[in-house]
Amino acid sequence: QKEVEQDPGPLSVPEGAIVSLNCTYSNSAFQYFMWYRQYSRKGPELLMYTYSSGNKEDGRFTAQVDKSSKYISLFIRDSQPSDSATYLCAMSEILTGGGNKLTFGTGTQLKVEL
Amino acid sequence: SAVISQKPSRDICQRGTSLTIQCQVDSQVTMMFWYRQQPGQSLTLIATANQGSEATYESGFVIDKFPISRPNLTFSTLTVSNMSPEDSSIYLCSFLGLSGGYTFGSGTRLTVV
Repeated sequence: QKEVEQDPGPLSVPEGAIVSLNCTYSNSAFQYFMWYRQYSRKGPELLMYTYSSGNKEDGRFTAQVDKSSKYISLFIRDSQPSDSATYLCAMSEILTGGGNKLTFGTGTQLKVEL
Repeated sequence: SAVISQKPSRDICQRGTSLTIQCQVDSQVTMMFWYRQQPGQSLTLIATANQGSEATYESGFVIDKFPISRPNLTFSTLTVSNMSPEDSSIYLCSFLGLSGGYTFGSGTRLTVV
């Protein structure tokens, strides 16, 4: 079993839809949770970063963490064609010395159609 | 926020040769990281590079194959040595920002023929 599971998609939605992207994980030591967006032939871009359980909102994006269920979600409201990309979840546990090692999901490919 | 530049953006190399990838950050960062992204797979950490000390490699990656340099707090290189087609992948550098999130370079798309 992988430490982080993420549905690879592809996920296709109409413009304006609410998108829900999800990851599950098995390592209860994970403390930090991130969502990255990666456009084709580009590096991952940090979208959201959360530390604890609960919701965090930034514009059209909401990140949700449920540590008890080991489940995280990213919601995109009013989706736009420019949101078409691969979305990667990532998480880390605290390592001694202050460095954090990121463990990524495989990414979900999202296409928002006009 | 700090900007990271990575080059080359892509290369096609002959098997048995080596390629050095460079990453430059426009401010000083303590730790830099090198990842590999293979098609259909998640990003995998190769090693962590600290300035002034040897890089720390993850399981499955060795210094002879992926030597790393970190001469100062703004620059790092990763060399892919004695390449084979299995090394064809995207290689990414990254650093931990002050906000706690990681910033990535744009990646180097390597094809070994």
